[in-house]
Amino acid sequence: GAGVSQTPSNKVTEKGKYVELRCDPISGHTALYWYRQSLGQGPEFLIYFQGTGAADDSGLPNDRFFAVRPEGSVSTLKIQRTERGDSAVYLCASSLSAGPPNEQFFGPGTRLTVL
Amino acid sequence: GNSVTQMEGPVTLSEEAFLTINCTYTATGYPSLFWYVQYPGEGLQLLLKATKADDKGSNKGFEATYRKETTSFHLEKGSVQVSDSAVYFCALSEGSSNTGKLIFGQGTTLQVKP
Repeated sequence: GAGVSQTPSNKVTEKGKYVELRCDPISGHTALYWYRQSLGQGPEFLIYFQGTGAADDSGLPNDRFFAVRPEGSVSTLKIQRTERGDSAVYLCASSLSAGPPNEQFFGPGTRLTVL
Repeated sequence: GNSVTQMEGPVTLSEEAFLTINCTYTATGYPSLFWYVQYPGEGLQLLLKATKADDKGSNKGFEATYRKETTSFHLEKGSVQVSDSAVYFCALSEGSSNTGKLIFGQGTTLQVKP
């Protein structure tokens, strides 16, 4: 079956612009996660959705970052007033439900470059 | 807070050599532990996991044992292949949380030469 997909695969924007990153999880997966991976680092947790609600947004770095999942499937990560430090690969993962033993399946990521 | 520390890379080995990538963690409670792998041009994939102390996770010839007394989850393989060249990430999921969010180490690049 189809895995987690993310669009766009690459996004180049200018400092101060607004961007949206989309994640399509595996069908039927209720848990959805966003992570951010900077060059040479491991992924860092941003936010977790269980169904439509953001159950844990403790990883969002500041109020410029926001994410939604209105119908409990597709999720959009929104970044306002982008800064050069936001440049990273943004990863989405989904799992059947939250927590082990459920495996998180990762998408290929969106590489965001802020000029 | 909870954290994961991996040995720094890159690690360069010849084919059929023995591999160890060290991973230690700091966590409250009883976390679950994971190794993820990222092959060139591909997304993160779960390689193996262990959910309680003394469990051994294994897959594709790789093994790791959850050692609570040393807070470690070292990855081993007896005979590496060129196709094992990738970036390996150790991760934990907090035992006290039901969110399943993962905390990753910084990754270790493995290069296997023929």
